Amino acid sequence: GQNIDQPTEMTATEGAIVQINCTYQTSGFNGLFWYQQHAGEAPTFLSYNVLDGLEEKGRFSSFLSRSKGYSYLLLKELQMKDSASYLCAVMDSNYQLIWGAGTKLIIKP
Amino acid sequence: GAVVSQHPSRVICKSGTSVKIECRSLDFQATTMFWYRQFPKKSLMLMATSNEGSKATYEQGVEKDKFLINHASLTLSTLTVTSAHPEDSSFYICSATQGLDISPLHFGNGTRLTVT
Repeated sequence: GQNIDQPTEMTATEGAIVQINCTYQTSGFNGLFWYQQHAGEAPTFLSYNVLDGLEEKGRFSSFLSRSKGYSYLLLKELQMKDSASYLCAVMDSNYQLIWGAGTKLIIKP
Repeated sequence: GAVVSQHPSRVICKSGTSVKIECRSLDFQATTMFWYRQFPKKSLMLMATSNEGSKATYEQGVEKDKFLINHASLTLSTLTVTSAHPEDSSFYICSATQGLDISPLHFGNGTRLTVT
């Protein structure tokens, strides 16, 4: 079966760095997405990786290793507004998105 | 950037009535739209995939007669929850994509449905 694993919850301190991991097992691979979702709101797109390596976009970076079925989202200089759930999603060979359950990130002052 | 508008954002209805939720792509042609349901503290659950001009493809376990999806144009898809029951209360989110290639989904803001 297809499976996406990510931690349920993480806590970090304002100004610090946090890494949210995602491992996947899917039928084919056409890219991995990270989305941010604040409570009660729809997800917003953060990043897309299809090739191995690190993609940096401001305070957020996303890394992919296809051979290991692994990705992480790195958030730097954490701000209170970064408190949200972070969803990892993989697009399989049929271009269907397989969603992880999300990681709730709690930022403490 | 691409924008998807979903309406209404919140709706309260009585048990047994029907509710229609609209999803519009405002600045692009959405050949494919997706409807999700999300329970508290849970990830998105795909309900159905809707392609313009054709019948929606429903995920296993989703009642197509209860959740009617119409995708009559390249900019509009609707989800109608028929004969709503309290257990249908949930957060419904639509998303749209411009094609079958690797393009990010653009999400609507979601609809909070409460059935009393």
